[in-house]
Amino acid sequence: GIQVEQSPPDLILQEGANSTLRCNFSDSVNNLQWFHQNPWGQLINLFYIPSGTKQNGRLSATTVATERYSLLYISSSQTTDSGVYFCAVEPSTGGFKTIFGAGTRLFVKA
Amino acid sequence: NAGVTQTPKFQVLKTGQSMTLQCAQDMNHEYMSWYRQDPGMGLRLIHYSVGAGITDQGEVPNGYNVSRSTTEDFPLRLLSAAPSQTSVYFCASRPIAGPSYEQYFGPGTRLTVT
Repeated sequence: GIQVEQSPPDLILQEGANSTLRCNFSDSVNNLQWFHQNPWGQLINLFYIPSGTKQNGRLSATTVATERYSLLYISSSQTTDSGVYFCAVEPSTGGFKTIFGAGTRLFVKA
Repeated sequence: NAGVTQTPKFQVLKTGQSMTLQCAQDMNHEYMSWYRQDPGMGLRLIHYSVGAGITDQGEVPNGYNVSRSTTEDFPLRLLSAAPSQTSVYFCASRPIAGPSYEQYFGPGTRLTVT
């Protein structure tokens, strides 16, 4: 089945710093989403981005479907950005089976 | 518009007990799914449904049953709970017709099996 790898696994930032999180996937996908899981366990939708580039405030994302990767950019990080960031994909073959990466755990220091 | 709701929020079971986790959505989404999240890991798909009367297995279906009698509800049944089923369970829904297939998650149910 499809493999989804996220990097880095852990990231510590000083408040105000920028970062790039990466999601590589091993096969073609129909859907790709980025989520933020906050310290209370809630999953927050960041981007639905099977291809192209989107921006929402300090966050932006780019998916290059032909090269099988997606990037999540966080600029001017804040302590409230702390948590785990997940990439989730739905393969083009194999029905409606969403596969999650293992996540990037981010801690932003004040 | 409540989105995706799950009950209960917390549950403790003894080994061998059965229970049903409830999930409901009010967005008229055809697709609904159940995931489990173990400590330090991503979510893994248990079962999913693309409409009333249609269900299929995900990555980790053993020990769980589902049914879909209405568009709104998608309950998950644990037939005989085991300690290995201690986890956080998330329900999700999304449309299956475009333009967006964005998936929305409920708040989760934290289950402990002793």
